[in-house]
Amino acid sequence: GDSVTQMEGPVTLSEEAFLTINCTYTATGYPSLFWYVQYPGEGLQPLLKATKADDKGSNKGFEATYRKETTSFHLEKGSVQVSDSAVYFCALSNSNSGYALNFGKGTSLLVTP
Amino acid sequence: NAGVTQTPKFQVLKTGQSMTLQCAQDMNHEYMSWYRQDPGMGLRLIHYSVGAGITDQGEVPNGYNVSRSTTEDFPLRLLSAAPSQTSVYFCASRPPGYGGRGEQFFGPGTRLTVL
Repeated sequence: GDSVTQMEGPVTLSEEAFLTINCTYTATGYPSLFWYVQYPGEGLQPLLKATKADDKGSNKGFEATYRKETTSFHLEKGSVQVSDSAVYFCALSNSNSGYALNFGKGTSLLVTP
Repeated sequence: NAGVTQTPKFQVLKTGQSMTLQCAQDMNHEYMSWYRQDPGMGLRLIHYSVGAGITDQGEVPNGYNVSRSTTEDFPLRLLSAAPSQTSVYFCASRPPGYGGRGEQFFGPGTRLTVL
């Protein structure tokens, strides 16, 4: 079945550092790919998405490109802030599962001043 | 719009007790779903619904029951609580269109402890 693999955390960065969180997937067909963010004590919020190969999703300075050849959707940000500290989840949805979200295990990010 | 709302925010149960976790959305979304979040496991789908009167099982449905009598509400019932059901439960909904490829929007969660 479909699956999502994320790099394990926690990831600790200094403010203004470059962020990469790796995400790879296994899926049949043409899934949609998502990044969600969860701040402490809150629910998940959609961060960005891409629905077809080579699409780039972007939001709040974060970017991710749907790479079908490497089955990847890595999250990047050029300069992180303390307020970016959160848990980030990569997810896919696919027609073979009624477009339910299939999540990775999450990557915790801590940004220090 | 209030978005997706969940009640209660916290709940403690004893083994064998039953309860209902409430979920409501005011965005007229047809698709709604329930997930549980456990440390190191990500989120796993329990049940979902594509519209009023239609529900289906997800990855971990055992011990849970759902119904969908209205578009707005999608309650999750624990029939006989077990310690393994200690978790944080999230309800989510998805707007129509995009052929099902749109984002889902999540409620704030219910933290459940079963003793």
